[in-house]
Amino acid sequence: SQQGEEDPQALSIQEGENATMNCSYKTSINNLQWYRQNSGRGLVHLILIRSNEREKHSGRLRVTLDTSKKSSSLLITASRAADTASYFCATDRYSGAGSYQLTFGKGTKLSVIP
Amino acid sequence: DTEVTQTPKHLVMGMTNKKSLKCEQHMGHRAMYWYKQKAKKPPELMFVYSYEKLSINESVPSRFSPECPNSSLLNLHLHALQPEDSALYLCASSQEIGTGVHEQYFGPGTRLTVT
Repeated sequence: SQQGEEDPQALSIQEGENATMNCSYKTSINNLQWYRQNSGRGLVHLILIRSNEREKHSGRLRVTLDTSKKSSSLLITASRAADTASYFCATDRYSGAGSYQLTFGKGTKLSVIP
Repeated sequence: DTEVTQTPKHLVMGMTNKKSLKCEQHMGHRAMYWYKQKAKKPPELMFVYSYEKLSINESVPSRFSPECPNSSLLNLHLHALQPEDSALYLCASSQEIGTGVHEQYFGPGTRLTVT
């Protein structure tokens, strides 16, 4: 079942602008992660925010988490054409025997126009 | 080496064929995963292996048969697939619990077409 729901489904911006993507989830979480996927390729981990954190930064990325609203946002500042990709949030939970299970949201397809 | 490799990159098979997808990592990860991703959809978990033992099977049809021969390799054996099984199959691995690191490392995927 889908845990995260991204909003918007698609976003088109000019290079240099900021891009904000939102994610909502349904059940309590340990951590929330954001991944990026270039067209038809594997996913790359971007950032993880723990349930007791409210904000986290990594380079041009800023993630916020509001556990009371069960939502998170990913902000990409000063976007570049190379940021064009699909972005997924994922909640993780312990699945037993040393592994974590990710449940992905539907994703936001970001297009950055040069 | 922080790479997960998958072979083949593309595979076209008929509904009566038997084929296998392969995944390899040399990061010492003890958890490995198979995901299925349809076009414009998020990845969906199929199987989880932990310490070379199957720990999760997300109600996947038996025409998909996973195998973990050792801690670095993960296979997905395919038999009698249906056209609706056409998708991108992604392999991932992660460090074991206790390290505090939950991120998964994904391979580039195998694009499977069933004719």
